Amino acid sequence: GAVVSQHPSWVICKSGTSVKIECRSLDFQATTMFWYRQFPKQSLMLMATSNEGSKATYEQGVEKDKFLINHASLTLSTLTVTSAHPEDSSFYICSASRGGGTEAFFGQGTRLTVV
Amino acid sequence: AQSVTQPDIHITVSEGASLELRCNYSYGATPYLFWYVQSPGQGLQLLLKYFSGDTLVQGIKGFEAEFKRSQSSFNLRKPSVHWSDAAEYFCAVGPFEAAGNKLTFGGGTRVLVKP
Repeated sequence: GAVVSQHPSWVICKSGTSVKIECRSLDFQATTMFWYRQFPKQSLMLMATSNEGSKATYEQGVEKDKFLINHASLTLSTLTVTSAHPEDSSFYICSASRGGGTEAFFGQGTRLTVV
Repeated sequence: AQSVTQPDIHITVSEGASLELRCNYSYGATPYLFWYVQSPGQGLQLLLKYFSGDTLVQGIKGFEAEFKRSQSSFNLRKPSVHWSDAAEYFCAVGPFEAAGNKLTFGGGTRVLVKP
């Protein structure tokens, strides 16, 4: 159990367009989901925490209007990169937990390339 | 502010040889420490975690890690590596005992295994 799936695994988009990344918990209800970003040769950085039915909490320095997070159901959270630019090219990965301080499991990540 | 440092960006080791990956952390509160492995195209998999008790913790795939409070270190070891251990390894610290929640990651160490 505890499988988290992200879609797509990779995406290439044109500068100025928006792209949506999905994070699904396949076999459990994820009350809480976390979104991370990994730039090339750098570590994973927490972007935001989302709780089902609530607005996401963004980490300092992360633009909430650019990275829209929706967690409308207990099995799905989406990250939309709006008006993407080449500097947004990165590896985005989510983790999901049942909440209440339980373990969060990671998806396989999505590699976004903006050209 | 919390931080995690993995001094070695790359390590090359021969199959069958021992492996040690270094991790140093800075954390204001009780640290909950984790090691993850990321294989190409895969999500992060939890290897082991430490929050209290015996400072030598055993994980999956034959890995172990030792917590040394005086050195603020949590080094990962494996006595004999297999070719399948080639991957990227991340050390992380978090505010909760449960893995995957609001983690601060180190920069990662890429392990290459020579036949």
